[in-house]
Amino acid sequence: AQKITQTQPGMFVQEKEAVTLDCTYDTSDPSYGLFWYKQPSSGEMIFLIYQGSYDQQNATEGRYSLNFQKARKSANLVISASQLGDSAMYFCAMRGSGAAGNKLTFGGGTRVLVKP
Amino acid sequence: EAGVVQSPRYKIIEKKQPVAFWCNPISGHNTLYWYRQNLGQGPELLIRYENEEAVDDSQLPKDRFSAERLKGVDSTLKIQPAELGDSAVYLCASSLEQGDGYTFGSGTRLTVV
Repeated sequence: AQKITQTQPGMFVQEKEAVTLDCTYDTSDPSYGLFWYKQPSSGEMIFLIYQGSYDQQNATEGRYSLNFQKARKSANLVISASQLGDSAMYFCAMRGSGAAGNKLTFGGGTRVLVKP
Repeated sequence: EAGVVQSPRYKIIEKKQPVAFWCNPISGHNTLYWYRQNLGQGPELLIRYENEEAVDDSQLPKDRFSAERLKGVDSTLKIQPAELGDSAVYLCASSLEQGDGYTFGSGTRLTVV
């Protein structure tokens, strides 16, 4: 079974500062993928960044970077230079391999509020 | 290219009434998912389709929920009868088989009163 844990229910961050959102996972699959999604108050789920379990380098996408520590089973999201529009819920998710490979399992989310 | 389209956007019904949600996935995406997202929580998978076959419906409450994906394209999720605890956002998503890209619709926010 796959499990995603996000231990921070909510965070405040000052505009223009960086923020790190924690995510730990548990899986027995040898191959898996890790995702981060942003969900603003409007409700749509917006894809931010992806990290494959065999990727040698940490993924980066603009102001988003993923701090992947495979041995610790963690995949923390770093948002640099926070903007007011970054205020939203953030979800970590995992895709395994094998028969259930296509299923995304989500964590409980972290609410981020960016202060001006 | 159009994204995943869901309708209705919002639905308010009385308990014990039936309700249906519709999803049109991205063209060419053979895998379709229905997720339920309770307030303040992450989405949870209800059912996953590969083309027209439901390959994972272990989390679907089959006594009141049903789903279909005719011709492997559009899908409908139905609840009959609805209960107060069914109030949630129902998200549809699609992907290519074994793909890493998942696209979500805007969801249907269901309120059961």
